[in-house]
Amino acid sequence: AQTVTQSQPEMSVQEAETVTLSCTYDTSENNYYLFWYKQPPSRQMILVIRQEAYKQQNATENRFSVNFQKAAKSFSLKISDSQLGDTAMYFCAFPPAGANSKLTFGKGITLSVRP
Amino acid sequence: NAGVTQTPKFQVLKTGQSMTLQCAQDMNHEYMSWYRQDPGMGLRLIHYSVGAGITDQGEVPNGYNVSRSTTEDFPLRLLSAAPSQTSVYFCASSLTGGSNQPQHFGDGTRLSIL
Repeated sequence: AQTVTQSQPEMSVQEAETVTLSCTYDTSENNYYLFWYKQPPSRQMILVIRQEAYKQQNATENRFSVNFQKAAKSFSLKISDSQLGDTAMYFCAFPPAGANSKLTFGKGITLSVRP
Repeated sequence: NAGVTQTPKFQVLKTGQSMTLQCAQDMNHEYMSWYRQDPGMGLRLIHYSVGAGITDQGEVPNGYNVSRSTTEDFPLRLLSAAPSQTSVYFCASSLTGGSNQPQHFGDGTRLSIL
């Protein structure tokens, strides 16, 4: 079975500092995509970043970047210069083998940014 | 551009009642799906559709029915509501069913079953 594990239920960071959210997964596939979604208190699910496993270069979107370690099956999200608006739940998600867009989500991490 | 629209945003039901959660997208997306979100569980897939007339079960399909008569609409039906179905429900869509496709989510429906 394909699994996605987010072992840290909560994290806190000071505004303007950097924080890393961890995610590990299990798969037997060689090429696949990994996603991080953000859910602010408004409850919307917003795509933060996407990584293709075939690419060695880590994905970056402005202050958000990925540390992708394929051999270790690790997919961490780094948020630089944290802002109050980054306060949200963050979910790592991954489509199981042959499952197309069916996403398996981790349980999520609640991130609080302190002023 | 409305994206994915879910109605209602909130609903309270009594055990045994039926209701339909509506989901519509205006992006001509082929793939649509329903998830439920429970505390400490992340999002779990209920049902999905790869195109009009085609639906299939996800991880937690029991107690829910779906149909896809048009590309735009993908309603989720609870035939006989149970307290275990108290949850937040999200509809999502993507251009195709490819695994590289990011999902576009609606704003969710908070459903309480008494």
